[in-house]
Amino acid sequence: EDQVTQSPEALRLQEGESSSLNCSYTVSGLRGLFWYRQDPGKGPEFLFTLYSAGEEKEKERLKATLTKKESFLHITAPKPEDSATYLCAVRSGTYKYIFGTGTRLKVLA
Amino acid sequence: KAGVTQTPRYLIKTRGQQVTLSCSPISGHRSVSWYQQTPGQGLQFLFEYFSETQRNKGNFPGRFSGRQFSNSRSEMNVSTLELGDSALYLCASSVGQESDTIYFGEGSWLTVV
Repeated sequence: EDQVTQSPEALRLQEGESSSLNCSYTVSGLRGLFWYRQDPGKGPEFLFTLYSAGEEKEKERLKATLTKKESFLHITAPKPEDSATYLCAVRSGTYKYIFGTGTRLKVLA
Repeated sequence: KAGVTQTPRYLIKTRGQQVTLSCSPISGHRSVSWYQQTPGQGLQFLFEYFSETQRNKGNFPGRFSGRQFSNSRSEMNVSTLELGDSALYLCASSVGQESDTIYFGEGSWLTVV
């Protein structure tokens, strides 16, 4: 069964304290892995798409990487405005999008 | 370029009623998908439409239905509402190719009382 698991469920960081979020997946026929940021009461905002193992993408303080079994979202020197829920999703061989339950990130000033 | 637009943003319905939610995709996007988001279950896939045809369907009862129009706009309908249908309903659009990135709207908050 296609599945996405994110860890940790919640993470509290001090401003400037770098860390990584994990997204483990089992899927038949991966057609893309996606990272989104979601603020309370809003729709998810697209961050990155990764297609193959070894691929990396960067945007400001965020960097996403992909292996054959998992993806990491690295946050370097986070700021309070990076506080949000980060969602990981995969598109399966049957073209469905499967989402993880997210990591709630809180960055303290 | 305008994003995905969903209406209404908030609504309250009574158990047993039905509801219709609307979604206008990003200009040029031909695929629209719908999701239900609840605190306990996270984001659950409802269905996906491409060129007015349902291309994929999640594991939801038949009370949940949708359609897509020739201009790519989409609606979803929930009949005989139950308390457990209270959720944020999200619409997302994409160009329509196999490995597309999907872009979300702000969602419609449905409360069933």
